[in-house]
Amino acid sequence: RKEVEQDPGPFNVPEGATVAFNCTYSNSASQSFFWYRQDCRKEPKLLMSVYSSGNEDGRFTAQLNRASQYISLLIRDSKLSDSATYLCVVNMQASSNTGKLIFGQGTTLQVKP
Amino acid sequence: DTGVSQNPRHKITKRGQNVTFRCDPISEHNRLYWYRQTLGQGPEFLTYFQNEAQLEKSRLLSDRFSAERPKGSFSTLEIQRTEQGDSAMYLCASSLLSGRGIRDNEQFFGPGTRLTVL
Repeated sequence: RKEVEQDPGPFNVPEGATVAFNCTYSNSASQSFFWYRQDCRKEPKLLMSVYSSGNEDGRFTAQLNRASQYISLLIRDSKLSDSATYLCVVNMQASSNTGKLIFGQGTTLQVKP
Repeated sequence: DTGVSQNPRHKITKRGQNVTFRCDPISEHNRLYWYRQTLGQGPEFLTYFQNEAQLEKSRLLSDRFSAERPKGSFSTLEIQRTEQGDSAMYLCASSLLSGRGIRDNEQFFGPGTRLTVL
């Protein structure tokens, strides 16, 4: 079983749609969680950190469910520029111990006019 | 531009040759990471440094791979006797460990070095 699992998609949605991505992780000791965005042939860029209480940044909302070992990302009012691959990322230990990030395979989003 | 930089951006080499990549992290960042990414997959961790100390290495990092960060600033990743299976994007990232909780693990990536082994 992969340490971080995502549905690879692709998700094809019209502009203005709301789309949700889900991610599960296998190690209950995981401490930190992130969503990164990666455009084709570019480097991953941090989209948002995921806090235990959930957090929102504009049109983007991230949720964490530690009991189910599940992370989600909701994008409201999709824009053409949101088309990218979204990577679910987990860090296994407390911040002072290791920086190793474990990436999911990524979920591809294509927003169409 | 004060982001992470990597050189070269592209490298084409013949099987059996040695290659070296360089990464310059964000200047105040004390942690530096190397990852490898192949098509359709997320990045896979290779190794990381805190200042000049190499604190963790993945099992993916065979004895043909070596990384250094001699002065705690830039880092190099060398692959000896390259194989076709080494073809990938090699990504460098940096972060700042300063007791800010989850933010200590926010990593910022360079543009990567794309390696093609013929």
